[in-house]
Amino acid sequence: KNEVEQSPQNLTAQEGEFITINCSYSVGISALHWLQQHPGGGIVSLFMLSSGKKKHGRLIATINIQEKHSSLHITASHPRDSAVYICAVLFYNTDKLIFGTGTRLQVFP
Amino acid sequence: EAGVTQSPTHLIKTRGQQATLRCSPISGHTSVYWYQQALGLGLQFLLWYDEGEERNRGNFPPRFSGRQFPNYSSELNVNALELEDSALYLCASSPLAGENNEQFFGPGTRLTVL
Repeated sequence: KNEVEQSPQNLTAQEGEFITINCSYSVGISALHWLQQHPGGGIVSLFMLSSGKKKHGRLIATINIQEKHSSLHITASHPRDSAVYICAVLFYNTDKLIFGTGTRLQVFP
Repeated sequence: EAGVTQSPTHLIKTRGQQATLRCSPISGHTSVYWYQQALGLGLQFLLWYDEGEERNRGNFPPRFSGRQFPNYSSELNVNALELEDSALYLCASSPLAGENNEQFFGPGTRLTVL
């Protein structure tokens, strides 16, 4: 069964802290997306990766294909990072993105 | 470069009515995807259009339909609206066919069914 799990569901941090959000999936995938959704609903695609690691500014995404696991890291977190972070996976056996339930991050000054 | 645009921003309908939501992809993108995010639920895939044709659909009833125009813009139509259709509807586009390409999301249309 194609499943995507994210943890934690909710995360609170102080400004400047290092944040890690995790995503695990059940079977082989061809790609994994990390999305950011701000209050009001707008979604921004942060990363798409199928192997290794990508970095953009203070954001880093890694994926371990063997362990079927991906992490999104935020360094030097800031209140403007407060959002819901969603992992979305394209499994080999389907052509539909399956979404995790999201991680709600709040960063306080 | 303009991003994905959606209209209207908000839409209020009553049960049984029909709703039409619109999406304009990024210039040069041929694939358009529709997603539903109902309150308390995660994003769910609705429909995928590429080059004017429906390529795939999610587990939604036939009341949900759409089309893609020659300029690659797209409409999502929801007939015989039900209360549980109230949700944020997101459109995304990608430059190449297939969901394993990076998708760029629009701001969404919030549909409320009374």
